[in-house]
Amino acid sequence: EAGVTQFPSHSVIEKGQTVTLRCDPISGHDNLYWYRRVMGKEIKFLLHFVKESKQDESGMPNNRFLAERTGGTYSTLKVQPAELEDSGVYFCASSQGLQYGYTFGSGTRLTVV
Amino acid sequence: GESVGLHLPTLSVQEGDNSIINCAYSNSASDYFIWYKQESGKGPQFIIDIRSNMDKRQGQRVTVLLNKTVKHLSLQIAATQPGDSAVYFCAVTGGGNKLTFGTGTQLKVEL
Repeated sequence: EAGVTQFPSHSVIEKGQTVTLRCDPISGHDNLYWYRRVMGKEIKFLLHFVKESKQDESGMPNNRFLAERTGGTYSTLKVQPAELEDSGVYFCASSQGLQYGYTFGSGTRLTVV
Repeated sequence: GESVGLHLPTLSVQEGDNSIINCAYSNSASDYFIWYKQESGKGPQFIIDIRSNMDKRQGQRVTVLLNKTVKHLSLQIAATQPGDSAVYFCAVTGGGNKLTFGTGTQLKVEL
């Protein structure tokens, strides 16, 4: 079974540019999550999809962040325009339900310069 | 809301010794607790979990202890090996699907 795949693994962009991160969950997992770890700090929840619907987006920092999951398969997280404080590692995870645990992807390391 | 704190940002142990990583949480309604291991360049990897109706659970070389009275969680790793070197996170949830993570403890295994 393929795991959770994230692309790109690394991205370096200038402040003000746009970046789009992609996550392919495990096939059949309705639940898809985005988390972020800023340098040295805790991993923080961003949002949760159930199929194509946003179940909880309480962790999204501001309206510069837009997440989509069209068709309920892969998801994208767009940051526009990027700011320096957006730098960090963005993790995607998927599950059949929390009682079955999450599987995390390897993350996208975003550096805004 | 929930907050989760780890007691030590870094823990150094000798190979073969036991490691204990601690975590405190704030919300007494939290009912599911998970320990993750994150190696460099990889995502968090599930190690072991425990629900609030238990106070101890054992896996292969790992044990999780839950003290709901003081809202404290610990991960014990027996006979620590170099491959155990990683950042360890505790995560808790209170009935929803969202996990609240601690800041992580870097475990360094010295030969």
